[in-house]
Amino acid sequence: GQNIDQPTEMTATEGAIVQINCTYQTSGFNGLFWYQQHAGEAPTFLSYNVLDGLEEKGRFSSFLSRSKGYSYLLLKELQMKDSASYLCAVLDSNYQLIWGAGTKLIIKP
Amino acid sequence: IAGITQAPTSQILAAGRRMTLRCTQDMRHNAMYWYRQDLGLGLRLIHYSNTAGTTGKGEVPDGYSVSRANTDDFPLTLASAVPSQTSVYFCASSGTSDTGELFFGEGSRLTVL
Repeated sequence: GQNIDQPTEMTATEGAIVQINCTYQTSGFNGLFWYQQHAGEAPTFLSYNVLDGLEEKGRFSSFLSRSKGYSYLLLKELQMKDSASYLCAVLDSNYQLIWGAGTKLIIKP
Repeated sequence: IAGITQAPTSQILAAGRRMTLRCTQDMRHNAMYWYRQDLGLGLRLIHYSNTAGTTGKGEVPDGYSVSRANTDDFPLTLASAVPSQTSVYFCASSGTSDTGELFFGEGSRLTVL
């Protein structure tokens, strides 16, 4: 079967750096996506990786290793507004998005 | 403001009742999707439509139906609601069907008693 694993919950301190990991086993691979979802709101697109390596976008970076079936989302200079759930998703060989259950990130002052 | 509009935002209904969740987008996106989100589970695809006039079944289609008469609208119908359909429902769209960059509506919280 297809599955995506990510930690259920993480806690970090304002101003610090946090890394949220995602491992996947899917039927084929056409890209990995990270979404942010604040409580009670809709998911919003953060980043996309299809080739190995690091993609940087401001305070957020996303890394992919296709050979290891592994990605991480790195958040720098954490702010209270970064408290949210972060969803990892993989586009499989049929172009269907497979979603992880999400990682709830709690930021403490 | 361009985007996706869902209605209603919240609804409580009795088991056995029929319910239609509405979804409209004004981005002229070809592909549209209905997901349900339950605590501890990832987003699960109910139905999708790659283009107007076509629909397909997702991971959890039983008890739900959709139609795509035009590009903008993609309603989701529960013919006879059951308590297990209590969930938050998200409509989403994308420019094409082969991308994972989706735009989501604000969600419809449905409680079936």
